[in-house]
Amino acid sequence: NAGVMQNPRHLVRRRGQEARLRCSPMKGHSHVYWYRQLPEEGLKFMVYLQKENIIDESGMPKERFSAEFPKEGPSILRIQQVVRGDSAAYFCASSSSGQGVDGYTFGSGTRLTVV
Amino acid sequence: QKEVEQDPGPLSVPEGAIVSLNCTYSNSAFQYFMWYRQYSRKGPELLMYTYSSGNKEDGRFTAQVDKSSKYISLFIRDSQPSDSATYLCAMTENTGTASKLTFGTGTRLQVTL
Repeated sequence: NAGVMQNPRHLVRRRGQEARLRCSPMKGHSHVYWYRQLPEEGLKFMVYLQKENIIDESGMPKERFSAEFPKEGPSILRIQQVVRGDSAAYFCASSSSGQGVDGYTFGSGTRLTVV
Repeated sequence: QKEVEQDPGPLSVPEGAIVSLNCTYSNSAFQYFMWYRQYSRKGPELLMYTYSSGNKEDGRFTAQVDKSSKYISLFIRDSQPSDSATYLCAMTENTGTASKLTFGTGTRLQVTL
């Protein structure tokens, strides 16, 4: 069981470029969650997706950020026109259902650096 | 005011000590309370979770929830150097669908030989 796979592990982008972060959930998991961890801060919820649907995007910034979880393939978190303040660790988690917390498994994260 | 407050530490203890980690929260709707351990450059790993008030024990770890005080604790007995990590508390309303977690900032723990 490979767990939740995130890639790339590290991503460097210049200001104004686009960043695409990928998350493959655990086998059998159809619920995906994205979190952002800024330096010296805890994880902040961004968005919750099921296959082809956004369930809760209450934590997503209103502009430049989008997420998808297509029928086939990984979930993608996309950040357009990145700024220095987007530099953070982005974590994906997956679960087999939208209920309960014991199956909620995190990946190792993608560390985005905007230069 | 943050929904969940957690002392960032760092907390340094000698091997074998009992460690107490705590969080306070303001949202009375929180029902599930979790503790995660995060090693450097890794994702959070679930240690324990409790539903509503009470205690739960798992090996060297004990989680306590006091909903009346909006206060949760994690105790680590006989601490080991391998316990050195950042410990994050998290909670959720878990209304039946879910589960958006609200995290504390984490407490960095160092267990020394």
